[in-house]
Amino acid sequence: DSGVTQTPKHLITATGQRVTLRCSPRSGDLSVYWYQQSLDQGLQFLIQYYNGEERAKGNILERFSAQQFPDLHSELNLSSLELGDSALYFCASSALGKANYGYTFGSGTRLTVV
Amino acid sequence: GQQVMQIPQYQHVQEGEDFTTYCNSSTTLSNIQWYKQRPGGHPVFLIQLVKSGEVKKQKRLTFQFGEAKKNSSLHITATQTTDVGTYFCAGQGGGSNYKLTFGKGTLLTVNP
Repeated sequence: DSGVTQTPKHLITATGQRVTLRCSPRSGDLSVYWYQQSLDQGLQFLIQYYNGEERAKGNILERFSAQQFPDLHSELNLSSLELGDSALYFCASSALGKANYGYTFGSGTRLTVV
Repeated sequence: GQQVMQIPQYQHVQEGEDFTTYCNSSTTLSNIQWYKQRPGGHPVFLIQLVKSGEVKKQKRLTFQFGEAKKNSSLHITATQTTDVGTYFCAGQGGGSNYKLTFGKGTLLTVNP
């Protein structure tokens, strides 16, 4: 157990639907990052939150949104789902500002859009 | 934006052979990190390199950071079947957001 909790582990949904992925960071980590992993694109950075505020944005589609709550857990909302959104979605957390800690990844949510 | 290229994409070796993966950034990095992802697993942090020309070792793994802080390599000596997985480099470009840009990874398979 890495200390980063992601739910659900698997999700199967139809095109056009909306889903919410949840992430609880490792205890004490204020920063949360969301990544999308597909076979051909590797790990693509989506968005970062630090202590409730958006800190950086990557290649996140307008149909996707995220937030970090006061208890530091984060949710990634994916709407109007398309077949191409099928991927592994990872959440990671870090102790921002501390060197040599790296990111701690959760076990991911595998999203299948049918 | 910042791009991190990693080669080779795949590498198959016989157990006991050495393995190297290379990483190159389009911009100067503040630091570079390496991660390992086992099949069906999630990326696990291995190490961070910060200084120009830095070399770090972890048992059979040797990590190097280039003098210009734009490239890095991971070398595994005498591979074992437990080394199987995808090795990612990830560069941090500086600033206050600590965002990592990942290379596409090198999938290592080891034939026993």
